[in-house]
Amino acid sequence: QKEVEQNSGPLSVPEGAIASLNCTYSDRGSQSFFWYRQYSGKSPELIMFIYSNGDKEDGRFTAQLNKASQYVSLLIRDSQPSDSATYLCAAFTGYALNFGKGTSLLVTP
Amino acid sequence: DAEITQSPRHKITETGRQVTLACHQTWNHNNMFWYRQDLGHGLRLIHYSYGVHDTNKGEVSDGYSVSRSNTEDLPLTLESAASSQTSVYFCASRQGRADTQYFGPGTRLTVL
Repeated sequence: QKEVEQNSGPLSVPEGAIASLNCTYSDRGSQSFFWYRQYSGKSPELIMFIYSNGDKEDGRFTAQLNKASQYVSLLIRDSQPSDSATYLCAAFTGYALNFGKGTSLLVTP
Repeated sequence: DAEITQSPRHKITETGRQVTLACHQTWNHNNMFWYRQDLGHGLRLIHYSYGVHDTNKGEVSDGYSVSRSNTEDLPLTLESAASSQTSVYFCASRQGRADTQYFGPGTRLTVL
């Protein structure tokens, strides 16, 4: 079974701080990685994706990929209470997205 | 605007009944997927389709079937509903194999 692992949390950060969410994957053949945000009772929505080693920035979000370490992370700068949600990491397996179980983030005012 | 819809949004059924969950997308995407989401398990792939008349099993396909007769729809059928199939079901679609995958709003199914 090709695994995507995430710490379930909850991760609690104060408003304005940087939230760091981490993910590891077991399939070295995975080529692309996706971060989704899911609010309670809602469907997952894409935040960003990354294909290449290094950092990719989009607004307050930065995705980081290290293929040698099989590690993906998502940084959220200037965290807001509205960022409180579950964050899902997914790896593209060649036919579908394989999801981790998600990390719950709580941003406290 | 293009979208992906699911119906019904909530369903309560009894053990042993056949249930069909609908998924319809207007993106004209070739690839469609069904996932279930349960506490402690995250999103797990049930079935997927790369195009009309193509269907494939995912990691938790037992007890489920799909058919793809057109590009827009991928209905999910529970042949004989079991209590273990109580879950939230998400349909998703994307155009290419590594493109952005969009999710429908979900169907909450309860099997009594």
